[in-house]
Amino acid sequence: KAGVTQTPRYLIKTRGQQVTLSCSPISGHRSVSWYQQTPGQGLQFLFEYFSETQRNKGNFPGRFSGRQFSNSRSEMNVSTLELGDSALYLCASSWTAANQETQYFGPGTRLLVL
Amino acid sequence: GQNIDQPTEMTATEGAIVQINCTYQTSGFNGLFWYQQHAGEAPTFLSYNVLDGLEEKGRFSSFLSRSKGYSYLLLKELQMKDSASYLCAVAPGGGNKLTFGTGTQLKVEL
Repeated sequence: KAGVTQTPRYLIKTRGQQVTLSCSPISGHRSVSWYQQTPGQGLQFLFEYFSETQRNKGNFPGRFSGRQFSNSRSEMNVSTLELGDSALYLCASSWTAANQETQYFGPGTRLLVL
Repeated sequence: GQNIDQPTEMTATEGAIVQINCTYQTSGFNGLFWYQQHAGEAPTFLSYNVLDGLEEKGRFSSFLSRSKGYSYLLLKELQMKDSASYLCAVAPGGGNKLTFGTGTQLKVEL
């Protein structure tokens, strides 16, 4: 069974631009969560989608948004990029929305904002 | 608020045993996860505890005390490949949201 895939793997943008990242969960998984990882803050939860509905949201500004499609693939968008948005963006998928379920992480998209 | 503390760095010798501690204060609790993350790679699941006690899985064991807000990950028979960051994460409740500690960077030396 293929793992979680994320595209693109690397991205360079400039301040003020917007970016869209994509995540394809493991086949059959319906929950997709997004995290931001930086050296200073560690892994921080962005949001979770289950069956095309946002179930949880972290403490990030409205510039960060996401959506999930009927095939469970998810995208996240960051508008008006800031230097501080440079980070590794990870998505994780699981079968259900029950938090006892193991989450499987993708390889991440490394975003550099110049 | 949510607060998860773990040591920043640890060093241990190949073949030895190391214990990585994690203390947490969260507004809710529905389980604690440990993940391993090698540099440049995705976190991989190691263990999940929701009840007090020790869970053993091969060379890795994880312990939880809910009353103390405390967990540890025990790695036995350390190997060089165990050099990685170990992340403690709490599920505060409701969905798959996880709150992570900043990770413990473990270095295994000869």
